Amino acid sequence: GENVEQHPSTLSVQEGDSAVIKCTYSDSASNYFPWYKQELGKRPQLIIDIRSNVGEKKDQRIAVTLNKTAKHFSLHITETQPEDSAVYFCAAAYSGGGADGLTFGKGTHLIIQP
Amino acid sequence: DADVTQTPRNRITKTGKRIMLECSQTKGHDRMYWYRQDPGLGLRLIYYSFDVKDINKGEISDGYSVSRQAQAKFSLSLESAIPNQTALYFCATSAVGVTGELFFGEGSRLTVL
Repeated sequence: GENVEQHPSTLSVQEGDSAVIKCTYSDSASNYFPWYKQELGKRPQLIIDIRSNVGEKKDQRIAVTLNKTAKHFSLHITETQPEDSAVYFCAAAYSGGGADGLTFGKGTHLIIQP
Repeated sequence: DADVTQTPRNRITKTGKRIMLECSQTKGHDRMYWYRQDPGLGLRLIYYSFDVKDINKGEISDGYSVSRQAQAKFSLSLESAIPNQTALYFCATSAVGVTGELFFGEGSRLTVL
């Protein structure tokens, strides 16, 4: 089955700086890569996703890049703000296998220092 | 507002007891999931259901069972709870399956003493 590794487990950045979280996946058939954000005490929510037919996707201050050859994808947050403090989960899935359910990374706790 | 609702939100129980966590949704989605969250381990899939007649095991189904009573209801049971089942449990729904957005409930925190 799929295995998703996520690094770092904790990331502390100054407010206004950029943050990058990296994930690798094992199954070359995976073709869908979402990112979920979980604020303290809240439920995870989708913030951005990318499919294997594109290399990059942006939405305001966040962007995701995908390198299919190397089997890794990254989340980039620019101009970080206090409300970006949360745990971020990457995930991977293959849409064509008949099975269902995402395989998540173990999460990155992003801390924005004032 | 269409939502995913879990009950109970918090539960403390003893080893060997039977526990049921319930999930109901008003989103009209066919696909429902149960995930378990442990600190440092991320979210792991327990069971998922495409519809009332289609239930499938996920990555960590041992010690758990599920029931899809209706399109909108999906319950998770621990027949004989053990301490290492202490975790935060999330129900989720999806309109289109694995390549679509997951909508999570607020979570059910279970403590097994």
